[in-house]
Amino acid sequence: DAKTTQPPSMDCAEGRAANLPCNHSTISGNEYVYWYRQIHSQGPQYIIHGLKNNETNEMASLIITEDRKSSTLILPHATLRDTAVYYCIVRVAYSGAGSYQLTFGKGTKLSVIP
Amino acid sequence: DTEVTQTPKHLVMGMTNKKSLKCEQHMGHRAMYWYKQKAKKPPELMFVYSYEKLSINESVPSRFSPECPNSSLLNLHLHALQPEDSALYLCASSQFNGISNEQFFGPGTRLTVL
Repeated sequence: DAKTTQPPSMDCAEGRAANLPCNHSTISGNEYVYWYRQIHSQGPQYIIHGLKNNETNEMASLIITEDRKSSTLILPHATLRDTAVYYCIVRVAYSGAGSYQLTFGKGTKLSVIP
Repeated sequence: DTEVTQTPKHLVMGMTNKKSLKCEQHMGHRAMYWYKQKAKKPPELMFVYSYEKLSINESVPSRFSPECPNSSLLNLHLHALQPEDSALYLCASSQFNGISNEQFFGPGTRLTVL
């Protein structure tokens, strides 16, 4: 799976949009971008994933550049509950082995400030 | 039910003890995972079970012994652990050939080895 690079930490004011960047310049054509987050002392939580088109769900939006070498996770109106470590993970969506293990990088610690 | 449960939440054990961690899901997922997370580090994959068979062992020491007695249960048997094995142990599950293949994580078991 391709390696990702994320800033170690970011701050965001409550109510503002949080934009978390991820660089994945070695991504392959069959690899998707996944985002998970881990609130302190809890298990990671799936947020969103995409291949090349922008994606949106009830939690966030994912913007992937046209060359697919980087992406941005957008939390449109950050709240204090969004304070967490956010992991950007690149991996194939369909595996012949049928299992889809995740390789976590160091992630970005997002702090939402009141 | 989209929940993965883990018991116990906390466990303190001596280096000569034998204990077991338990994970349960009722989402019909046929892939289950054990991850280990040291403090301030990202989760690291330990084992993967696909259709109740061990498919991946990430060179984990034999003092950790996984078991998948049925499609809903995953155990991790612990014996003769070392203090450096103290960590948060996370269980996850996913569909075998799902479209999103998101992993659902449990809250983890925080293990302390004395």
